[in-house]
Amino acid sequence: NAGVTQTPKFQVLKTGQSMTLQCAQDMNHNSMYWYRQDPGMGLRLIYYSASEGTTDKGEVPNGYNVSRLNKREFSLRLESAAPSQTSVYFCASSEAMSSYNEQFFGPGTRLTVL
Amino acid sequence: RKEVEQDPGPFNVPEGATVAFNCTYSNSASQSFFWYRQDCRKEPKLLMSVYSSGNEDGRFTAQLNRASQYISLLIRDSKLSDSATYLCVVYGGGFNKFYFGSGTKLNVKP
Repeated sequence: NAGVTQTPKFQVLKTGQSMTLQCAQDMNHNSMYWYRQDPGMGLRLIYYSASEGTTDKGEVPNGYNVSRLNKREFSLRLESAAPSQTSVYFCASSEAMSSYNEQFFGPGTRLTVL
Repeated sequence: RKEVEQDPGPFNVPEGATVAFNCTYSNSASQSFFWYRQDCRKEPKLLMSVYSSGNEDGRFTAQLNRASQYISLLIRDSKLSDSATYLCVVYGGGFNKFYFGSGTKLNVKP
């Protein structure tokens, strides 16, 4: 039982390049999330998927797209990377999107955009 | 205004000390509250949920004050292994989502 896995762990991009961050969970959770963490800002929600087949914007969706490929996988795409997207990206999942469900996080992807 | 605010610290305490962190939230309609722990360069992990009546888990006690809109975490008999950043998390607020504070850093010294 691996929990939540993310690939890659590290990535360096040049401005304008695109890339996809992959996330998978093996806990049969319905809800999945993408966050970014910047110094002094806490985790901010980029996009979420309350259940398979649905996705919605979070607080900071600009410059990103997501795909809920199936119940296990939720990917985050940067179409044209910008230095402002340098951050640590965490994927998380929970049994459901409700007030009492614990979120389980992946190990994170450290992204630098030059 | 941020949904959730925390004192960033760091709090530097000796082993065995008692330390308390507070967190304030802006939306009175917030529904549930949590403390997560994040070790350096690691992912956050749930430490404890915070219930209306307050709750205790070993050396850790969490309290909720809805009237003043703050949550507290008390750690007694601090251990070196308690050194981490503690994230206050609130569910609900403006869009019925999870909102994270920026964290309070704790350093426990021998």
